[in-house]
Amino acid sequence: GQNIDQPTEMTATEGAIVQINCTYQTSGFNGLFWYQQHAGEAPTFLSYNVLDGLEEKGRFSSFLSRSKGYSYLLLKELQMKDSASYLCAVSDSNYQLIWGAGTKLIIKP
Amino acid sequence: GAVVSQHPSWVICKSGTSVKIECRSLDFQATTMFWYRQFPKQSLMLMATSNEGSKATYEQGVEKDKFLINHASLTLSTLTVTSAHPEDSSFYICSARGDLIAGGHNEQFFGPGTRLTVL
Repeated sequence: GQNIDQPTEMTATEGAIVQINCTYQTSGFNGLFWYQQHAGEAPTFLSYNVLDGLEEKGRFSSFLSRSKGYSYLLLKELQMKDSASYLCAVSDSNYQLIWGAGTKLIIKP
Repeated sequence: GAVVSQHPSWVICKSGTSVKIECRSLDFQATTMFWYRQFPKQSLMLMATSNEGSKATYEQGVEKDKFLINHASLTLSTLTVTSAHPEDSSFYICSARGDLIAGGHNEQFFGPGTRLTVL
């Protein structure tokens, strides 16, 4: 079956760095996405990885290792507004997005 | 990124009535649109996938006669919840994707969601 695993909840301190991991097993692979979802709102796109390595975009970076079925989202210089759920999703062989359950990130002052 | 709108943003209706939710891609042609449902503190659940001009493909456990999907144009898809009941109360979110480009992104752009409350 297809499976996406990510931690349910993480807590970090304002100004710090946090890494959210995602492991996946899917039928085929056409890229991995990270989305941010604030409570009561729809998800917004953060990053896309299809090749191995690190993609950096401002305070956010995303890493992919296809051989390990592993990705992480790295958030630097955390701000209170980063408190949200972070969703990992993999595009399978049919370009269907398989979603993880999301990681709720709590930022403390 | 591309813009997807959804209307209405929230709706309250009586049990037994039908509710239509519209999803529009404003600045690109959406070959494929997706409808999701999300209950509080739970993950997104894909309900159905629709391609312009063809019948929607429903996920297992989703009643196609209850959740009618129409994708009549490249910019508009509608979801009609027929004979809504309190257990249908949820956050309904659509997303849209353009033509798949080899080696490129195939991300979905999300609408803002519609919060449905059935009394």
